[in-house]
Amino acid sequence: DAKTTQPNSMESNEEEPVHLPCNHSTISGTDYIHWYRQLPSQGPEYVIHGLTSNVNNRMASLAIAEDRKSSTLILHRATLRDAAVYYCILRAVSGNTPLVFGKGTRLSVIA
Amino acid sequence: DAMVIQNPRYQVTQFGKPVTLSCSQTLNHNVMYWYQQKSSQAPKLLFHYYDKDFNNEADTPDNFQSRRPNTSFCFLDIRSPGLGDAAMYLCATSRGGTGTEAFFGQGTRLTVV
Repeated sequence: DAKTTQPNSMESNEEEPVHLPCNHSTISGTDYIHWYRQLPSQGPEYVIHGLTSNVNNRMASLAIAEDRKSSTLILHRATLRDAAVYYCILRAVSGNTPLVFGKGTRLSVIA
Repeated sequence: DAMVIQNPRYQVTQFGKPVTLSCSQTLNHNVMYWYQQKSSQAPKLLFHYYDKDFNNEADTPDNFQSRRPNTSFCFLDIRSPGLGDAAMYLCATSRGGTGTEAFFGQGTRLTVV
């Protein structure tokens, strides 16, 4: 399975942008890059995913390097509610690839 | 409205006494997952169903089994819970195809006494 590497923890000030990095140097051409986050005492929730092009949605933006060996989840304005563990996950395009979590990055947001 | 519902939210069971956790979904998704999450760790995949096809992770203990009687329901059976099985158990669903998002329930926190 392709692996991802993320920093264990990061800290951000409220209302500042946050850039959460993920390295995936062994990514294959058919792997999607997914991001999920888990707020305290809740199940994980989907944030965003992409294949090659940068992606934007109401929650975040996903910037994918041209060689696809790394990606960055961007929260444009961190709020206290964004404090969570953020997981970067690779999933092969084939239909039966499960969602397997790595260790993730714990994001703290300071008021 | 909750789309993936896990019952109960909290479950206490005795050491060695079989316990069943349940998950239901209103999304009509064909993939359902069970995860175990211990304190300060990432969710660990136990098994998943793609329609009726059951897929067991290689390191999932035999003590853990699952049933999916229909599209909407999935059960996690722990035959003889040990103290090390105390954890949060998470159920998730997705439409199938890896370009789709997964939806998680709130989890069931299992305590073994």
